[in-house]
Amino acid sequence: SYELTQPPSVSVSPGQTARITCSGDALPKKYAYWYQQKSGQAPVVVIYEDSKQPSGIPERFSGSSSGTMATLTISGAQVEDEADYYCYSTDGSTNRGVFGGGTKLTVL
Amino acid sequence: EVQLVESGGGLVQPGGSLRLSCAASGFTFSTFELHWVRQAPGKGLEWVSYISNTGSTIYYADSVKGRFTISRDNAKNSLYLQMDSLRAEDTAVYYCRRYFDYWGQGTLVTVSS
Repeated sequence: SYELTQPPSVSVSPGQTARITCSGDALPKKYAYWYQQKSGQAPVVVIYEDSKQPSGIPERFSGSSSGTMATLTISGAQVEDEADYYCYSTDGSTNRGVFGGGTKLTVL
Repeated sequence: EVQLVESGGGLVQPGGSLRLSCAASGFTFSTFELHWVRQAPGKGLEWVSYISNTGSTIYYADSVKGRFTISRDNAKNSLYLQMDSLRAEDTAVYYCRRYFDYWGQGTLVTVSS
């Protein structure tokens, strides 16, 4: 079955740039989406269709995709950005979804 | 305001059944694809199932195929997940999700004897 691979954890100091990667064989053909999930809350989309920013999401969140890798970048990470981040996409031929394993972002 | 409200979770014995519902409001329900996503305690997100806006196209994760059935009623603005032959590993918070954007708050399903 199709898989998306993320690093389990990323750690940065406040004000630094955090980058979280997501690799998957179908990413050249399928969009990546990024979700932020804080403890006890439902996920919130922070990037959609590889690089688009939903309204209400701080501009420090950006996304890119090249080849088989998508990247979420948080420029000038804040303490309040500490959360689990999940990439999401669909497999190559259908709308069957798949999530990456999640990346715990620590900002301290 | 878009709202998705799940219900129907609870405690069920292994081998039992549950039917989850997701009541939608604040948007034209019949024009959007919908998904069920689950999260086991302390674990990551797992996509479960997809249904197109008309209900004509449906997909399932391999882990639930043959046991779970997704459906929708566009007249009632409601999404459903019929879960049969439940296993301990199905224990999770179940979320409904509109397209890629809006999520409900989830409903907890616990499968235990």
